[in-house]
Amino acid sequence: NAGVTQTPKFRVLKTGQSMTLLCAQDMNHEYMYWYRQDPGMGLRLIHYSVGEGTTAKGEVPDGYNVSRLKKQNFLLGLESAAPSQTSVYFCASREWDEQFFGPGTRLTVL
Amino acid sequence: KNEVEQSPQNLTAQEGEFITINCSYSVGISALHWLQQHPGGGIVSLFMLSSGKKKHGRLIATINIQEKHSSLHITASHPRDSAVYICAVDRGAQKLVFGQGTRLTINP
Repeated sequence: NAGVTQTPKFRVLKTGQSMTLLCAQDMNHEYMYWYRQDPGMGLRLIHYSVGEGTTAKGEVPDGYNVSRLKKQNFLLGLESAAPSQTSVYFCASREWDEQFFGPGTRLTVL
Repeated sequence: KNEVEQSPQNLTAQEGEFITINCSYSVGISALHWLQQHPGGGIVSLFMLSSGKKKHGRLIATINIQEKHSSLHITASHPRDSAVYICAVDRGAQKLVFGQGTRLTINP
């Protein structure tokens, strides 16, 4: 089992560029989440999904879009990157009593 | 005021000491989670609690629902326990709200 994987691990963007972060899990979990982690702040929920074909907004959804076309994949898109989106992004999937986190993607927007 | 507050923010101790990290929350919850973030950045789940107490190895987590408070204890601490410990509350709909974390350093 690979668990939860994220692609890419690092990325540098210029303001206005777009990109997609890929999260994949092989545990057949229904629930998947995208978080961002910023210095001095706790993890914050961007978007989440309760199953294939469903998505919902979290605490800080502005500037991001998501898709869950396949159960095992949850994609996070930045249509027009801004410096305020510089952060470490974590994907997670959830079984009843445990969240499984990916290794994170460090994104810098110049 | 954050919905989830952890204390202390930073904690340094000597190997072998008994460690306590506290988490207070101000909202109704269905469960509370403790997570560990390694120095390399990886995050793992330690416990999920909805009442009482859970123990896993040298780690013990307790929760008092009436007082809206949880504690994470580490017995016989070791340098490999050095990490950021994060409290998160489940407000329903499977969504978590996270505390800012407690950075623990255990010196040999």
